[in-house]
Amino acid sequence: EAGVAQSPRYKIIEKRQSVAFWCNPISGHATLYWYQQILGQGPKLLIQFQNNGVVDDSQLPKDRFSAERLKGVDSTLKIQPAKLEDSAVYLCASSLDWDRGDEQFFGPGTRLTVL
Amino acid sequence: AQTVTQSQPEMSVQEAETVTLSCTYDTSESNYYLFWYKQPPSRQMILVIRQEAYKQQNATENRFSVNFQKAAKSFSLKISDSQLGDTAMYFCAFTGTASKLTFGTGTRLQVTL
Repeated sequence: EAGVAQSPRYKIIEKRQSVAFWCNPISGHATLYWYQQILGQGPKLLIQFQNNGVVDDSQLPKDRFSAERLKGVDSTLKIQPAKLEDSAVYLCASSLDWDRGDEQFFGPGTRLTVL
Repeated sequence: AQTVTQSQPEMSVQEAETVTLSCTYDTSESNYYLFWYKQPPSRQMILVIRQEAYKQQNATENRFSVNFQKAAKSFSLKISDSQLGDTAMYFCAFTGTASKLTFGTGTRLQVTL
């Protein structure tokens, strides 16, 4: 079974530039998550999708971050404009459904450096 | 709001020995799930073990087991017969009615020869 795919793996940009990350979840998984993991911290949920609808985006900085899930499968996360404090690893995860006990399967992450 | 606390930033254990990682959490909910996730260096995060709060029996998965103390809001992970491949960051996580995972800050475990 193919895992969660993410690209790019690494990205370096200047502050105020834009950047986009892509995620392809495990086939058949209805729920998709984007997390931000700052160095030395645990992942923090940015947004959760159930199929192509948003379940929770309470911690997404909506003035600069946006996300969409196309046709309930792939997802993109965009930052525009980037700030220095956005430097982090962005993790995508998916689960079969959004039951609390469902295991979340994580992708390898995209390491973003904002200079 | 739920919080998850891991008070041990780093731990070290010798191969074949046993180590226990600590986790405490705070919640007003009565039904929830607790998890331990493992994040090896430069590799993907994977689930180690899961515990349902309404189950009194502690979860076990091969060499990994938990000590779940609901009243104390404590959820520790015991790794028996430690192996070099167990070297990783370990994150304790909680999910309640909001179906949102809240992670602790992690414990870096180093297994040595």
